[in-house]
Amino acid sequence: EPEVTQTPSHQVTQMGQEVILRCVPISNHLYFYWYRQILGQKVEFLVSFYNNEISEKSEIFDDQFSVERPDGSNFTLKIRSTKLEDSAMYFCASSEKGPRVDGYTFGSGTRLTVV
Amino acid sequence: AQRVTQPEKLLSVFKGAPVELKCNYSYSGSPELFWYVQYSRQRLQLLLRHISRESIKGFTADLNKGETSFHLKKPFAQEEDSAMYYCALGRGATNKLIFGTGTLLAVQP
Repeated sequence: EPEVTQTPSHQVTQMGQEVILRCVPISNHLYFYWYRQILGQKVEFLVSFYNNEISEKSEIFDDQFSVERPDGSNFTLKIRSTKLEDSAMYFCASSEKGPRVDGYTFGSGTRLTVV
Repeated sequence: AQRVTQPEKLLSVFKGAPVELKCNYSYSGSPELFWYVQYSRQRLQLLLRHISRESIKGFTADLNKGETSFHLKKPFAQEEDSAMYYCALGRGATNKLIFGTGTLLAVQP
């Protein structure tokens, strides 16, 4: 069964450093998302991406965050200057026809630890 | 404000016992509700959607608009059902998900 792949599985970074979290969605999927889960808290929406542009973003997704689909397959989340509170599990998800029709397929996540 | 509430952090039952995982939502429009499951060391997976009214792995969930609930039920729990269960509300043009805090279901032998 096709999977959404996320790399790395765990990243440790120093506060203030830039990080790029990578995702390879399922090849025929058109809708892409990033979510995060701070330890002990709920999964939170960050951003959705469709037709090569952001379609919706949450208030968490401030100027420190950006997303790109640089080569038509990868989907990346960049955090420009990490803060301690960015430590969380970051999940990528994709959908072929839109989640109303076929739901999301989630990746296994990247655990980001900011020290 | 849109919100999903799962009041139980942990639900422990014995194998063969009925299971009900509670979910209440707050949403002024017509809700789209989902249950996602995360087994140990695995990724979040869609379990079922209220739109499809299906039964997956013996689980069902009925949307009750009067009580604003979408409880997940299974008549006879199995040990392999042990997992984290998340109720989620889909909203917006992109159908982003608003998750509850999750309930850990532990099925004892």
